[in-house]
Amino acid sequence: GDSVTQMEGPVTLSEEAFLTINCTYTATGYPSLFWYVQYPGEGLQLLLKATKADDKGSNKGFEATYRKETTSFHLEKGSVQVSDSAVYFCAVNSGGSNYKLTFGKGTLLTVNP
Amino acid sequence: GAVVSQHPSRVICKSGTSVKIECRSLDFQATTMFWYRQFPKQSLMLMATSNEGSKATYEQGVEKDKFLINHASLTLSTLTVTSAHPEDSSFYICSARGGGGGGAPDTQYFGPGTRLTVL
Repeated sequence: GDSVTQMEGPVTLSEEAFLTINCTYTATGYPSLFWYVQYPGEGLQLLLKATKADDKGSNKGFEATYRKETTSFHLEKGSVQVSDSAVYFCAVNSGGSNYKLTFGKGTLLTVNP
Repeated sequence: GAVVSQHPSRVICKSGTSVKIECRSLDFQATTMFWYRQFPKQSLMLMATSNEGSKATYEQGVEKDKFLINHASLTLSTLTVTSAHPEDSSFYICSARGGGGGGAPDTQYFGPGTRLTVL
């Protein structure tokens, strides 16, 4: 089955620092890749996605590039803000009849002013 | 677009009672919805996949008689925790697969979650 290995946290950064959260996956075929963000006490919000090799997903200053050769989908942001403090989940969906998602364990990011 | 709501957001009940949680897709039709459970500081655990008009498919280890799922319409799925006990206390999150007028069909859109506390 599919699996996702995500950089373990917690990650603590100062405001305006550069962020990288690593994510690698195993999946059959040509999966779609996702980053979701969860703020305290809330559900998950879709942050960005990519559906084929070399696609770059981007949103709110975050970016991730679908690298099929390295089976990776690392999340990056050039300058983090305090409001980016949250848990970030990498996920893969290799299709099938119901499009189930397989999640990584999540990475807690704390940004200090 | 592709907004999912959940109700209630928070519920406290006594041991032995049943609790129903609603999940609605507000601006699209969702043929498939998912129910997850999340323990503190952990990832999401998929409990079941719900297809409109058919029985839910439960993941291994999830008691289908305890967690009743109904997906009676294209915009509503419900999770009923029957005879709840303190160990059922958790954060329950639903999601809906996009398509049907909103969102992408390969993407799940999540509700805000329901915090269940069983005393």
